[in-house]
Amino acid sequence: AQSVTQLDSQVPVFEEAPVELRCNYSSSVSVYLFWYVQYPNQGLQLLLKYLSGSTLVKGINGFEAEFNKSQTSFHLRKPSVHISDTAEYFCAVVPNSNSGYALNFGKGTSLLVTP
Amino acid sequence: SAVISQKPSRDICQRGTSLTIQCQVDSQVTMMFWYRQQPGQSLTLIATANQGSEATYESGFVIDKFPISRPNLTFSTLTVSNMSPEDSSIYLCSVRTGIFSGNTIYFGEGSWLTVV
Repeated sequence: AQSVTQLDSQVPVFEEAPVELRCNYSSSVSVYLFWYVQYPNQGLQLLLKYLSGSTLVKGINGFEAEFNKSQTSFHLRKPSVHISDTAEYFCAVVPNSNSGYALNFGKGTSLLVTP
Repeated sequence: SAVISQKPSRDICQRGTSLTIQCQVDSQVTMMFWYRQQPGQSLTLIATANQGSEATYESGFVIDKFPISRPNLTFSTLTVSNMSPEDSSIYLCSVRTGIFSGNTIYFGEGSWLTVV
Protein backbone atom coordinates (compact mmCIF):
# COMPACT_ATOMS: atom_id res chain seq x y z
CA ALA A 1 0.00 0.00 0.00
CA GLN A 2 1.05 3.58 -0.57
CA SER A 3 0.61 6.61 1.62
CA VAL A 4 1.20 10.33 1.19
CA THR A 5 2.05 12.86 3.86
CA GLN A 6 1.72 16.53 3.20
CA LEU A 7 3.63 18.07 6.02
CA ASP A 8 1.92 21.46 6.08
CA SER A 9 -1.83 21.85 6.30
CA GLN A 10 -1.64 25.59 5.66
CA VAL A 11 1.03 27.77 4.08
CA PRO A 12 0.58 31.54 4.19
CA VAL A 13 2.85 33.52 1.88
CA PHE A 14 3.09 37.03 0.53
CA GLU A 15 2.57 37.76 -3.12
CA GLU A 16 5.74 37.45 -5.26
CA ALA A 17 7.51 35.40 -2.58
CA PRO A 18 8.73 31.86 -3.28
CA VAL A 19 6.87 28.90 -1.89
CA GLU A 20 7.52 25.21 -1.28
CA LEU A 21 4.77 22.73 -0.47
CA ARG A 22 6.13 19.53 0.98
CA CYS A 23 5.08 16.00 0.11
CA ASN A 24 6.54 12.72 1.33
CA TYR A 25 5.36 9.28 0.32
CA SER A 26 5.71 5.73 1.50
CA SER A 27 5.56 2.71 -0.77
CA SER A 28 7.01 -0.77 -1.09
CA VAL A 29 6.89 -0.52 -4.91
CA SER A 30 7.88 2.06 -7.45
CA VAL A 31 5.36 4.84 -7.83
CA TYR A 32 4.27 7.68 -10.02
CA LEU A 33 3.68 11.03 -8.32
CA PHE A 34 1.23 13.81 -9.04
CA TRP A 35 0.33 17.28 -7.82
CA TYR A 36 -3.22 18.56 -8.26
CA VAL A 37 -4.69 21.98 -7.47
CA GLN A 38 -8.24 22.68 -6.37
CA TYR A 39 -9.39 26.27 -6.62
CA PRO A 40 -12.30 27.33 -4.39
CA ASN A 41 -15.55 25.66 -5.38
CA GLN A 42 -13.96 23.79 -8.27
CA GLY A 43 -12.77 20.31 -9.15
CA LEU A 44 -9.16 19.18 -9.32
CA GLN A 45 -6.72 20.15 -12.03
CA LEU A 46 -3.41 18.44 -12.73
CA LEU A 47 -0.37 20.65 -12.10
CA LEU A 48 2.34 18.15 -12.95
CA LYS A 49 3.37 14.54 -12.66
CA TYR A 50 6.53 12.48 -12.37
CA LEU A 51 6.71 9.18 -14.22
CA SER A 52 10.41 8.69 -14.98
CA GLY A 53 13.47 10.47 -16.30
CA SER A 54 14.52 13.88 -15.08
CA THR A 55 13.72 14.32 -11.42
CA LEU A 56 12.80 17.97 -11.93
CA VAL A 57 9.34 18.23 -13.40
CA LYS A 58 7.84 21.43 -14.71
CA GLY A 59 4.11 21.98 -14.69
CA ILE A 60 1.51 24.58 -15.46
CA ASN A 61 1.29 28.07 -13.94
CA GLY A 62 5.04 28.20 -13.22
CA PHE A 63 5.07 25.34 -10.74
CA GLU A 64 7.77 22.68 -10.60
CA ALA A 65 8.49 19.70 -8.39
CA GLU A 66 11.53 17.60 -7.68
CA PHE A 67 11.42 13.87 -7.13
CA ASN A 68 13.91 12.65 -4.54
CA LYS A 69 13.89 8.88 -4.31
CA SER A 70 16.28 8.62 -1.36
CA GLN A 71 14.16 10.99 0.70
CA THR A 72 10.88 9.70 -0.77
CA SER A 73 9.81 13.27 -1.40
CA PHE A 74 8.12 15.21 -4.17
CA HIS A 75 8.06 18.84 -3.06
CA LEU A 76 6.24 21.46 -5.11
CA ARG A 77 7.82 24.87 -5.67
CA LYS A 78 7.11 28.18 -7.30
CA PRO A 79 9.65 31.03 -7.35
CA SER A 80 7.09 33.82 -7.21
CA VAL A 81 3.45 33.31 -6.27
CA HIS A 82 0.40 35.31 -7.29
CA ILE A 83 -2.83 36.01 -5.47
CA SER A 84 -4.51 33.68 -7.95
CA ASP A 85 -2.42 30.75 -6.67
CA THR A 86 -4.53 30.70 -3.51
CA ALA A 87 -5.97 27.19 -3.54
CA GLU A 88 -5.78 23.71 -2.06
CA TYR A 89 -2.90 21.58 -3.32
CA PHE A 90 -2.94 17.80 -3.24
CA CYS A 91 -0.05 15.42 -3.67
CA ALA A 92 -0.98 11.95 -4.92
CA VAL A 93 0.73 8.64 -5.59
CA VAL A 94 -0.07 5.55 -7.64
CA PRO A 95 1.86 2.28 -8.11
CA ASN A 96 4.01 2.08 -11.20
CA SER A 97 2.02 -0.47 -13.17
CA ASN A 98 -0.29 -1.18 -16.07
CA SER A 99 -3.12 -2.13 -13.79
CA GLY A 100 -4.75 1.25 -13.64
CA TYR A 101 -4.81 1.82 -9.92
CA ALA A 102 -6.59 4.87 -8.51
CA LEU A 103 -4.68 7.78 -7.03
CA ASN A 104 -4.01 7.87 -3.31
CA PHE A 105 -4.12 11.47 -2.07
CA GLY A 106 -2.49 13.33 0.77
CA LYS A 107 -4.56 15.50 3.09
CA GLY A 108 -3.84 18.64 1.12
CA THR A 109 -2.06 21.93 1.76
CA SER A 110 -3.97 25.17 1.74
CA LEU A 111 -1.89 27.91 0.12
CA LEU A 112 -2.98 31.42 1.03
CA VAL A 113 -1.31 34.24 -0.88
CA THR A 114 -1.77 37.74 0.48
CA PRO A 115 -0.72 41.14 -0.87
CA SER B 1 -7.57 14.92 -22.30
CA ALA B 2 -11.12 14.42 -21.09
CA VAL B 3 -13.91 16.79 -20.18
CA ILE B 4 -16.24 15.55 -17.46
CA SER B 5 -19.70 16.86 -16.68
CA GLN B 6 -21.35 16.03 -13.40
CA LYS B 7 -24.98 16.53 -12.46
CA PRO B 8 -26.21 17.85 -10.15
CA SER B 9 -23.53 20.36 -9.29
CA ARG B 10 -25.16 21.08 -5.96
CA ASP B 11 -28.15 19.79 -4.05
CA ILE B 12 -29.72 19.93 -0.64
CA CYS B 13 -31.22 16.59 0.30
CA GLN B 14 -33.53 15.39 3.00
CA ARG B 15 -32.34 12.81 5.46
CA GLY B 16 -33.37 9.29 4.42
CA THR B 17 -33.67 10.03 0.71
CA SER B 18 -31.41 8.89 -2.11
CA LEU B 19 -29.74 10.91 -4.84
CA THR B 20 -28.14 9.79 -8.09
CA ILE B 21 -25.16 11.68 -9.46
CA GLN B 22 -24.47 11.47 -13.16
CA CYS B 23 -21.05 11.62 -14.77
CA GLN B 24 -20.72 12.17 -18.53
CA VAL B 25 -17.36 12.11 -20.31
CA ASP B 26 -16.69 13.59 -23.74
CA SER B 27 -14.64 10.59 -24.86
CA GLN B 28 -14.59 6.86 -24.29
CA VAL B 29 -12.63 5.88 -21.22
CA THR B 30 -11.96 2.52 -19.67
CA MET B 31 -11.46 3.48 -16.07
CA MET B 32 -13.70 5.66 -13.95
CA PHE B 33 -13.34 6.39 -10.28
CA TRP B 34 -15.67 7.91 -7.72
CA TYR B 35 -14.18 9.88 -4.83
CA ARG B 36 -15.70 11.55 -1.78
CA GLN B 37 -14.29 14.74 -0.32
CA GLN B 38 -15.75 15.61 3.06
CA PRO B 39 -15.62 19.26 4.15
CA GLY B 40 -12.04 20.41 4.56
CA GLN B 41 -10.70 16.93 3.92
CA SER B 42 -8.80 15.10 1.24
CA LEU B 43 -10.21 12.77 -1.39
CA THR B 44 -11.20 9.25 -0.44
CA LEU B 45 -11.77 6.65 -3.13
CA ILE B 46 -15.23 5.12 -3.01
CA ALA B 47 -15.02 2.71 -5.92
CA THR B 48 -13.55 1.94 -9.30
CA ALA B 49 -16.10 1.53 -12.08
CA ASN B 50 -14.96 -0.19 -15.26
CA GLN B 51 -17.36 -0.77 -18.12
CA GLY B 52 -18.58 -4.33 -18.38
CA SER B 53 -17.77 -5.34 -14.82
CA GLU B 54 -19.06 -4.77 -11.32
CA ALA B 55 -17.70 -1.80 -9.47
CA THR B 56 -14.91 -2.49 -7.01
CA TYR B 57 -15.50 -0.82 -3.64
CA GLU B 58 -12.90 0.36 -1.16
CA SER B 59 -12.92 -0.59 2.48
CA GLY B 60 -15.67 1.26 4.29
CA PHE B 61 -17.90 1.65 1.25
CA VAL B 62 -20.60 -0.86 0.28
CA ILE B 63 -22.75 -1.35 -2.77
CA ASP B 64 -26.02 -1.05 -0.86
CA LYS B 65 -25.09 2.46 0.24
CA PHE B 66 -23.32 3.60 -2.93
CA PRO B 67 -24.65 1.64 -5.93
CA ILE B 68 -22.80 2.46 -9.15
CA SER B 69 -23.76 1.91 -12.74
CA ARG B 70 -21.43 1.96 -15.76
CA PRO B 71 -23.57 1.22 -18.81
CA ASN B 72 -21.04 2.39 -21.42
CA LEU B 73 -17.61 3.94 -21.90
CA THR B 74 -18.75 7.55 -21.48
CA PHE B 75 -21.24 7.46 -18.61
CA SER B 76 -21.56 6.41 -14.99
CA THR B 77 -23.84 7.08 -12.05
CA LEU B 78 -23.28 7.00 -8.32
CA THR B 79 -26.26 6.81 -5.98
CA VAL B 80 -26.00 7.88 -2.38
CA SER B 81 -28.71 5.92 -0.61
CA ASN B 82 -30.62 6.58 2.59
CA MET B 83 -28.65 9.75 3.19
CA SER B 84 -27.67 11.08 6.59
CA PRO B 85 -25.90 14.35 7.47
CA GLU B 86 -22.60 12.43 7.52
CA ASP B 87 -22.99 11.97 3.75
CA SER B 88 -22.69 15.72 3.21
CA SER B 89 -19.68 15.86 0.92
CA ILE B 90 -18.39 16.66 -2.49
CA TYR B 91 -18.62 13.61 -4.75
CA LEU B 92 -16.14 13.62 -7.60
CA CYS B 93 -16.16 11.59 -10.75
CA SER B 94 -12.78 10.99 -12.35
CA VAL B 95 -11.48 9.15 -15.38
CA ARG B 96 -8.17 7.84 -16.59
CA THR B 97 -7.53 7.97 -20.32
CA GLY B 98 -5.96 4.53 -20.66
CA ILE B 99 -5.05 1.73 -18.28
CA PHE B 100 -1.49 2.80 -17.63
CA SER B 101 -1.18 4.12 -14.10
CA GLY B 102 0.89 7.04 -15.32
CA ASN B 103 -1.91 8.31 -17.50
CA THR B 104 -3.45 11.49 -16.17
CA ILE B 105 -6.63 11.22 -14.16
CA TYR B 106 -9.14 13.97 -14.94
CA PHE B 107 -11.77 15.18 -12.52
CA GLY B 108 -15.23 16.57 -12.86
CA GLU B 109 -16.27 19.73 -11.04
CA GLY B 110 -17.87 17.69 -8.31
CA SER B 111 -21.36 17.33 -6.90
CA TRP B 112 -21.77 19.21 -3.63
CA LEU B 113 -24.37 17.46 -1.49
CA THR B 114 -25.76 18.82 1.76
CA VAL B 115 -28.00 16.51 3.78
CA VAL B 116 -30.39 18.15 6.21
